[in-house]
Amino acid sequence: SQQGEEDPQALSIQEGENATMNCSYKTSINNLQWYRQNSGRGLVHLILIRSNEREKHSGRLRVTLDTSKKSSSLLITASRAADTASYFCATDSQGGSEKLVFGKGTKLTVNP
Amino acid sequence: DVKVTQSSRYLVKRTGEKVFLECVQDMDHENMFWYRQDPGLGLRLIYFSYDVKMKEKGDIPEGYSVSREKKERFSLILESASTNQTSMYLCASSLWGGASWSGYTFGSGTRLTVV
Repeated sequence: SQQGEEDPQALSIQEGENATMNCSYKTSINNLQWYRQNSGRGLVHLILIRSNEREKHSGRLRVTLDTSKKSSSLLITASRAADTASYFCATDSQGGSEKLVFGKGTKLTVNP
Repeated sequence: DVKVTQSSRYLVKRTGEKVFLECVQDMDHENMFWYRQDPGLGLRLIYFSYDVKMKEKGDIPEGYSVSREKKERFSLILESASTNQTSMYLCASSLWGGASWSGYTFGSGTRLTVV
């Protein structure tokens, strides 16, 4: 049961530019999370935004959530080569489930 | 920091073998999960557990079983490995949280090849 879908599938930018990734989902949620995965490794939790929040910041990351459109965006400002990774959104489902459903991810390449 | 440790980074097994993938977490998390990750398919949930000796099927449980005898350890078992189970396997854990929930902590993954 695929919930989140990231867009674009791949993104290539130059160091210093901003990177924006989008996520759309289907059903009502309690929260939406973004994760990062370096090549061949496990996922690392980046940020969580709750359904009653519209925007959240963490360092160079900015996440927005529009529950009316069932969509979220992740903005990485002033990107660095070390930001090269795949980024996944994950959603739970309203009703208290502890399970997360992950999208297929956006592969970000930041060129030095 | 919470650590989730998967016993092997790389594993090569033969078709028909019984395979055990082990996952241990050190922060007393209630929830533990096994996902597999394949190119173009993303992460898919195999099994999860909310408590010791408790297990629930995820989206793709066929061909797999799990064991949770102790709170910190969640094992994934491939009863008879097949080539279509070649994949990256990811273990994760989390607190039982609701509104205070802060997401999953993942292990580094086990890349399993079945030949």
